[in-house]
Amino acid sequence: QQKVQQSPESLIVPEGAMTSLNCTFSDSASQYFAWYRQHSGKAPKALMSIFSNGEKEEGRFTIHLNKASLHFSLHIRDSQPSDSALYLCAVSMRGAGNKLTFGIGTRVLVRP
Amino acid sequence: EAAVTQSPRNKVTVTGGNVTLSCRQTNSHNYMYWYRQDTGHGLRLIHYSYGAGNLQIGDVPDGYKATRTTQEDFFLLLELASPSQTSLYFCASSDAGLGGLEQYFGPGTRLTVL
Repeated sequence: QQKVQQSPESLIVPEGAMTSLNCTFSDSASQYFAWYRQHSGKAPKALMSIFSNGEKEEGRFTIHLNKASLHFSLHIRDSQPSDSALYLCAVSMRGAGNKLTFGIGTRVLVRP
Repeated sequence: EAAVTQSPRNKVTVTGGNVTLSCRQTNSHNYMYWYRQDTGHGLRLIHYSYGAGNLQIGDVPDGYKATRTTQEDFFLLLELASPSQTSLYFCASSDAGLGGLEQYFGPGTRLTVL
């Protein structure tokens, strides 16, 4: 069964700094890698995703995937207090339909 | 943006009670999912479905039944609720195929079993 692990468990960053989050997965047949953000008391919402090795940038957010290392990451440039949330990584395996396996999450607090 | 609604938003029941959680999506998505979210465990998949009448077993199905009555409606049933089922429950939907891997979540139902 796919195992998805996130690090660190929690993070405090000053406003304007870079936030870096990590996710490792266990199955090399994984095909889809995503980050979701969940503000306190709200539903998780997809942030961005990637299928192929490399980087993808959308605004202040960059996702980086290295399939050989079974690792992907999310980097948030110029972090804002509104970025304070629980960040969940999610992975889909080839042949598993549309099923996603989520990590436990990294709680991020951006201090003004 | 995809719309997923859940009801009730909060529910308190007693051990052994019967509970039905409802989910509706209005974007004609093929897939619907039920998750529970607990501190230290993250989001765990209970059951999911890829169409009316279809049901797939998730990762933590024990104690739960589910039924997909229409394209729009997916229900989660707890027939003999236990305190271990106290949790925050999310429903989600997605389209089919690789383009449909993004899931859209409802607002959640907080269930307390006393």
